Amino acid sequence: AQKVTQAQTEISVVEKEDVTLDCVYETRDTTYYLFWYKQPPSGELVFLIRRNSFDEQNEISGRYSWNFQKSTSSFNFTITASQVVDSAVYFCALTLNQAGTALIFGKGTTLSVSS
Amino acid sequence: GAGVSQSPRYKVAKRGQDVALRCDPISGHVSLFWYQQALGQGPEFLTYFQNEAQLDKSGLPSDRFFAERPEGSVSTLKIQRTQQEDSAVYLCASSLGPFTYEQYFGPGTRLTVT
Repeated sequence: AQKVTQAQTEISVVEKEDVTLDCVYETRDTTYYLFWYKQPPSGELVFLIRRNSFDEQNEISGRYSWNFQKSTSSFNFTITASQVVDSAVYFCALTLNQAGTALIFGKGTTLSVSS
Repeated sequence: GAGVSQSPRYKVAKRGQDVALRCDPISGHVSLFWYQQALGQGPEFLTYFQNEAQLDKSGLPSDRFFAERPEGSVSTLKIQRTQQEDSAVYLCASSLGPFTYEQYFGPGTRLTVT
């Protein structure tokens, strides 16, 4: 069975601080995909990134960066110089390499950035 | 439209009423998913369509839940004889093809059963 754990329920930071959101996953499959989604107060889940299990290269996109480590089954997300607009619930998710496989989500981490 | 749309955005139903929730996926997207998100939780899978075929309904919590996508575009999730535990946000997501793993989500329908 697959599982995604986001141990941090809530994180509060002050603007311009860096913050890392943790994600640990479980699967016996060798081919899988990992995702991060952002859910702002409006409620719509916004796709941020997808990684496949064969690509452990870290990725940076502006203030966002992702660290994928198969050895520890982790896919952590760092926001550099956080801003108030980053306040949202962030979900890590996993899916398998099968047609039409659903996303398996963690419980989410609520990030609050104050000015 | 450019994104996934859902209607209504909010629905209040009395216990025992039937409800129908609509999803308009991104045009041309073959795959369509329904998820249920309880308060403070991550979304949980309900059912999956590839075009008009419902290929996986393993997540539907009871036989009171029914989904359809008759023409391979718009989908409707129907809940019969609603109960309080059905209160949640119902999210629809679509993706381009069965092996396209990015799913794009709609804003959801918040269902409150009183």
